[in-house]
Amino acid sequence: AQSVTQLDSQVPVFEEAPVELRCNYSSSVSVYLFWYVQYPNQGLQLLLKYLSGSTLVKGINGFEAEFNKSQTSFHLRKPSVHISDTAEYFCAVRPNTGNQFYFGTGTSLTVIP
Amino acid sequence: EAGVTQFPSHSVIEKGQTVTLRCDPISGHDNLYWYRRVMGKEIKFLLHFVKESKQDESGMPNNRFLAERTGGTYSTLKVQPAELEDSGVYFCASSHANRGGYGYTFGSGTRLTVV
Repeated sequence: AQSVTQLDSQVPVFEEAPVELRCNYSSSVSVYLFWYVQYPNQGLQLLLKYLSGSTLVKGINGFEAEFNKSQTSFHLRKPSVHISDTAEYFCAVRPNTGNQFYFGTGTSLTVIP
Repeated sequence: EAGVTQFPSHSVIEKGQTVTLRCDPISGHDNLYWYRRVMGKEIKFLLHFVKESKQDESGMPNNRFLAERTGGTYSTLKVQPAELEDSGVYFCASSHANRGGYGYTFGSGTRLTVV
């Protein structure tokens, strides 16, 4: 069975400050890891994904995430946020032998001017 | 290319009524998925089509939900009769057959409110 935990439901941060959105997962099989973003009134957009190789992955809009297998974590980071980063962020896993995604409950990021 | 399109974007219906949600996947994508997010909860898998066949419908909550994909193109998700707990955002996604499931494209979702 797979599960994803996003401990922070809401994260307020001032513009140009760094941010980290936390994600931990549990799985009995090997998984791929993803971060999706949903801007207001839009669909889910892929930010970045980890399939294999380097544990530090870079995505769009200056975001990056690091896969830590021992801690089963995949935290999302950005060194300096902008107002336009205000959105809801979802961490997800997919077993590497299946098609179904398992999502966390989401983290609402609010960037304060 | 056009993205995944979902209709309607919002729907408000009364308990006991019927609602049909539609999803138009990206042209040529054989895989089509439905997911649902109930307020404040995680996004949960409902079912997966490969072309017109249901590959996995393990996430469908009960028999009030009926999904179809006639001809392997667009898909519909009907809720009949709707209950209050069916409120949420319904997402559709599609992917190319040869790319497996790791590279989905999601639609904007349909926000369903049952009152």
